[in-house]
Amino acid sequence: GAVVSQHPSRVICKSGTSVKIECRSLDFQATTMFWYRQFPKQSLMLMATSNEGSKATYEQGVEKDKFLINHASLTLSTLTVTSAHPEDSSFYICSARELDSSNQPQHFGDGTRLSIL
Amino acid sequence: EDQVTQSPEALRLQEGESSSLNCSYTVSGLRGLFWYRQDPGKGPEFLFTLYSAGEEKEKERLKATLTKKESFLHITAPKPEDSATYLCAVRVDAGGTSYGKLTFGQGTILTVHP
Repeated sequence: GAVVSQHPSRVICKSGTSVKIECRSLDFQATTMFWYRQFPKQSLMLMATSNEGSKATYEQGVEKDKFLINHASLTLSTLTVTSAHPEDSSFYICSARELDSSNQPQHFGDGTRLSIL
Repeated sequence: EDQVTQSPEALRLQEGESSSLNCSYTVSGLRGLFWYRQDPGKGPEFLFTLYSAGEEKEKERLKATLTKKESFLHITAPKPEDSATYLCAVRVDAGGTSYGKLTFGQGTILTVHP
């Protein structure tokens, strides 16, 4: 149980392109989903918290107009990297926590490797 | 400021050589300490949650323990397939709109040689 699917797993595109990444909880409902960024050999850095039906909460230093988050249902959150540039290249990972279970662990997707040329 | 520090950064073991990974934390209002395993190019895989000092959890060759200042992940008789990066994370009681977010340590890269 507690499977989180992230798609696509890898994206290579030109500078200036907008890229959408999907995060789905397959076998549970998630009021809250989280988006992380991970640089090589570094730990996960939280970018934003995605809440179903309301605006996302962004961490300090993360541009909300650059990284658009939509959490339209209890099983789907999307992250759109707008007008991506080479410095946006990174490994993006989402996670989800089961509904009404604030003490439950976050379950992670397998990440999206984004490469901007 | 909440801090999570893992040590060592990297650990090389021979198959069967037991050892421990450390996760030290300085937080206020701990609401859970989580251990994850991450394989290269993959997302973290949940291992354990610990909530209070003295608590222990076990799964196969892994055992996690918790004190008021740190957590240990003990690996007994490791196998090459245990090679991975092990991450610990804490959830604190920040109230308001924290939504139970996690603060991660830098991880320990474990390599088990046959």
